Amino acid sequence: DTAVSQTPKYLVTQMGNDKSIKCEQNLGHDTMYWYKQDSKKFLKIMFSYNNKELIINETVPNRFSPKSPDKAHLNLHINSLELGDSAVYFCASSLRQGDEKLFFGSGTQLSVL
Amino acid sequence: QKEVEQNSGPLSVPEGAIASLNCTYSDRGSQSFFWYRQYSGKSPELIMSIYSNGDKEDGRFTAQLNKASQYVSLLIRDSQPSDSATYLCAVNHNFGNEKLTFGTGTRLTIIP
Repeated sequence: DTAVSQTPKYLVTQMGNDKSIKCEQNLGHDTMYWYKQDSKKFLKIMFSYNNKELIINETVPNRFSPKSPDKAHLNLHINSLELGDSAVYFCASSLRQGDEKLFFGSGTQLSVL
Repeated sequence: QKEVEQNSGPLSVPEGAIASLNCTYSDRGSQSFFWYRQYSGKSPELIMSIYSNGDKEDGRFTAQLNKASQYVSLLIRDSQPSDSATYLCAVNHNFGNEKLTFGTGTRLTIIP
């Protein structure tokens, strides 16, 4: 029973393409996140949603668009992919807004060629 | 710019010894502090949290916080090969603001 699951695990694509990453949590948590981890292991928050509502939007290019159809799902769509988008993208959840204990998904390794 | 700094390592420690991981942060108003462990190719998992000055022990792990020096550390006693991983320090400026700032991590290798 995976708590936070994201698909796909690997994504290899050409520059300029559009791709999506899906995330689901079965923990009953209210808050979900997208983090980006670069090749130097630097983990940086991109977005946070609480009960389907956007609460944190870091300075991320607007080519990145998150969507939360319900509080158990947070998807990430990326338009016009660039080489610099290559990274590992982690979905995470926490019990509620303000709870700092994050539960991470297994990550999606995105490679843009 | 709120920053969290860690020595990237690699830090090599003999099995059975104490591994000491250090982290400094720039925002004096930071309130809560966390250590996440990330095995190669895996996701980060929370192993320790600390909120007040002093030591907090959990099994073989001890977190130490010194807010005056803006310094947080993680000690791992009786290091095991299974402790080999990257350890990420994370800091939160305000309670209720779940936007954690992570350090770049320290890669720890336990040598059998």
